[in-house]
Order: sequence, then structure tokens, then C-alpha cells
Amino acid sequence: DTAVSQTPKYLVTQMGNDKSIKCEQNLGHDTMYWYKQDSKKFLKIMFSYNNKELIINETVPNRFSPKSPDKAHLNLHINSLELGDSAVYFCASSHGGQPQHFGDGTRLSIL
Amino acid sequence: GEDVEQSLFLSVREGDSSVINCTYTDSSSTYLYWYKQEPGAGLQLLTYIFSNMDMKQDQRLTVLLNKKDKHLSLRIADTQTGDSAIYFCAETLNTGGFKTIFGAGTRLFVKA
Repeated sequence: DTAVSQTPKYLVTQMGNDKSIKCEQNLGHDTMYWYKQDSKKFLKIMFSYNNKELIINETVPNRFSPKSPDKAHLNLHINSLELGDSAVYFCASSHGGQPQHFGDGTRLSIL
Repeated sequence: GEDVEQSLFLSVREGDSSVINCTYTDSSSTYLYWYKQEPGAGLQLLTYIFSNMDMKQDQRLTVLLNKKDKHLSLRIADTQTGDSAIYFCAETLNTGGFKTIFGAGTRLFVKA
């Protein structure tokens, strides 16, 4: 029944490592997003994909590389993790500009 | 510019009404939203309003939109302790792709 699911829920890793977060939606939406929420709860869009095409890329370091193998999936790969990457990463999906549905988040902690 | 502002904290007594306010700068918004985030959880869409509407009511929730002043508010009637959460105001802009801008969130504390 889960509409937007992302894995893993928690990710603890060391600085310099490479890691991936996966997201899948079963709502039939054509647009998917990645957001970063920092420790002060500020939520900022990172990427947006529409029908597997990158639409929005908001000044995110190129260590972050999104990949959309199909409309229902949007993964996020992060190279050379840094302390400042510690945050909660949310995946979301929508039909065009309509309301977005969010996953439960991936809590990334860099040691 | 693209900016959504809201006050950071609001404290109310159980049973009272809560009003959370938000202002935005970009008048080309298509939708405006209120999301709720409980501790350790994701964002839950509470309600939304089209930019050509003035008001929307959904049970205990009332959304008012003043396009002239670029002001959005969320009123929660008969506030309960379970309403304690962070409430995010957001607007979606059509900038060649749909982009949603979030406010910093209002932390609602409900005292029993």
C-alpha cells in the first residue's frame, strides 16, 4: 500500500564513502523529486525529474547524481560523502504540478 | 524572487483555534499547500488550495488565501495535543518545470 517508499530509512557511514538511496512510487505519477532537510528542518529541493528527464537541478554539488531508470523510480547516488551531507533526504512524487506525496525520509549520518 | 516565510513558533491551549500564517513573494504560484510533519516522520499533505481560490474548508481545517497581499493562512479549529507538529507552507511555481518552495515551518505546541 505504500505510495512513496525510500530505502534505507537510516544510513550511517564514514566520510569519503559513496552511498545510494533508492525511491519508488506506485502512484502512477510522472514527476519525482529529491529534497534535503537539514537539522533546523529547512527543506530544500535538490532535483526534479519528469518522465525520467531531469527538470530541476538546484545548485547541488556534482557529488550528488540522481538516476531515474523509469517513471516510478528515482535513485540518488552520493560520492565522497562529507560531514555537511548529514541530513534527512526525502523523495516525493506528483502528477505534474499537483500536490506532492512524500516518502518517510532517509536519515543520513556521516561519522 | 522565490521566498516563502512563516513564523517559527506558535503555542496554543487545547480546544482553542490555531492560526498559522505564511507569506510568499512569487505571484505565479499554481498551488499553495500546508504540510504537517510529526517528529521523526515524513511530510503529510494536510490540505491545498488552487491559486484562483480564496478559501477552502476541510473539517477542522480552513485555508484562506489573499492573493493581493500574497498571504496564506491555516486555521485549525478545536486544536488537540495530536496537532502538535511542524506545519510547512509551500507554493508550486511553473518555471518551465514545476518547482515547490517551502517555508521554514511553524512549530505548533499544544498545551493540555
